[in-house]
Amino acid sequence: DSQMTQSPSTLSASVGDRVIITCRASQSIRNWLAWYQQKPGKAPKLLIYKASSLESGVPSRFSGNGSGTEFTLTISSLQPDDFATYYCQQYNSYLYTFGQGTKLEIK
Amino acid sequence: EVQLVESGGGLVQPGGSLRLSCAASGVTFSSYSMNWVRQAPGKGLEWVSYISSSGNTKYYADSVRGRFTISRDNVKNSLSLQMNSLGAEDTAIYYCTRGVTGYDPGYFDYWGQGTLVTVSS
Repeated sequence: DSQMTQSPSTLSASVGDRVIITCRASQSIRNWLAWYQQKPGKAPKLLIYKASSLESGVPSRFSGNGSGTEFTLTISSLQPDDFATYYCQQYNSYLYTFGQGTKLEIK
Repeated sequence: EVQLVESGGGLVQPGGSLRLSCAASGVTFSSYSMNWVRQAPGKGLEWVSYISSSGNTKYYADSVRGRFTISRDNVKNSLSLQMNSLGAEDTAIYYCTRGVTGYDPGYFDYWGQGTLVTVSS
């Protein structure tokens, strides 16, 4: 199984900041990686798939990059609605695994 | 509009059983693989089980294999998760998720609102 490790676990930032969240896989998952956003009390929402493809309706300030074992999620200019927890997920195999999450907090 | 609505959660004693359901609407249900994902209180996401669009292929996380059984009814547009031998570690919100078409395995493009399972005496 591919283990997924996100960093940092918590990130404090301000509106307008550019933030980067990293996700590392324990073995190559090619580009079979998705990113989700979750707000308290809500189900996760798909943001990015295939490492860098933006899901329909997701603002263009979100972008994804990477392949193999190292991936990033970048938010170019933080908006108030972006403060949430973010998860990466590999789908290289049916034994899907998620990263442990990155909580994005207001500084 | 795609809607996934889970039901069946509740309080169950350790060692007990529970059956979760997920009703799908606004979608050709039989065309999509489906999954269950859970989230323990204050914790991250954990994939639980996968079922192919036909129902012929199933996978389980190690933590639930042998205790949980996933199934689907493509006529009734419903997904189920039979959970047996429940323990405190199974306490979580359980989400029904749709696997995206065109990729298999694939990412999850729609999620239900979740149903809470609490295992406690």
